[in-house]
Amino acid sequence: DGGITQSPKYLFRKEGQNVTLSCEQNLNHDAMYWYRQDPGQGLRLIYYSQIVNDFQKGDIAEGYSVSREKKESFPLTVTSAQKNPTAFYLCASSTSHLGIGLSKNIQYFGAGTRLSVL
Amino acid sequence: AQSVTQLDSHVSVSEGTPVLLRCNYSSSYSPSLFWYVQHPNKGLQLLLKYTSAATLVKGINGFEAEFKKSETSFHLTKPSAHMSDAAEYFCVVSEASVDSSYKLIFGSGTRLLVRP
Repeated sequence: DGGITQSPKYLFRKEGQNVTLSCEQNLNHDAMYWYRQDPGQGLRLIYYSQIVNDFQKGDIAEGYSVSREKKESFPLTVTSAQKNPTAFYLCASSTSHLGIGLSKNIQYFGAGTRLSVL
Repeated sequence: AQSVTQLDSHVSVSEGTPVLLRCNYSSSYSPSLFWYVQHPNKGLQLLLKYTSAATLVKGINGFEAEFKKSETSFHLTKPSAHMSDAAEYFCVVSEASVDSSYKLIFGSGTRLLVRP
């Protein structure tokens, strides 16, 4: 059953602590994305990756870090430098920009991780 | 830069009545436009996508949207609302980046409430 799996569903962070959110996909997609969603707002792009071992900053990358060591995995670390981490985090994937037809630039989303600060 | 404006933060309809969720976009060229739906504490699901092949786009669950270039609009409609349609809806435009990737620009969302 193909899809995107995010874990954990709920996560709590203590002051000064780094936490890592997991995102795994078995859709064989090249591109992966991390978004942050705050109440009453749309999604904002944190980081994205088009291929393994390469990633780019999005609009709100400060206080976050990522890695892309495997095609199917794109973990997001929320560092202690992120002063307002409480939000709903969504991971997505898509075929690469080299995809053709209707599948190009359609992003598929995981179920999200809700991060709160203790 | 491209942008998306969803004109209503909340829309309330009675079950069985039509749904209209409004979206306007700004784009310097022919855009790719999407509607996504998000149920509480869930990820986003694609409802439909405008591909430039036809101005009236049919999606899942009876939803459709019409691309009107002259009005820069991409409103989402459904003839008859169902209780299960209650969710948040996002209008999205795709923007090509300098590295040839596609970034999605999200509207702020419209929360649809369906009354019994």
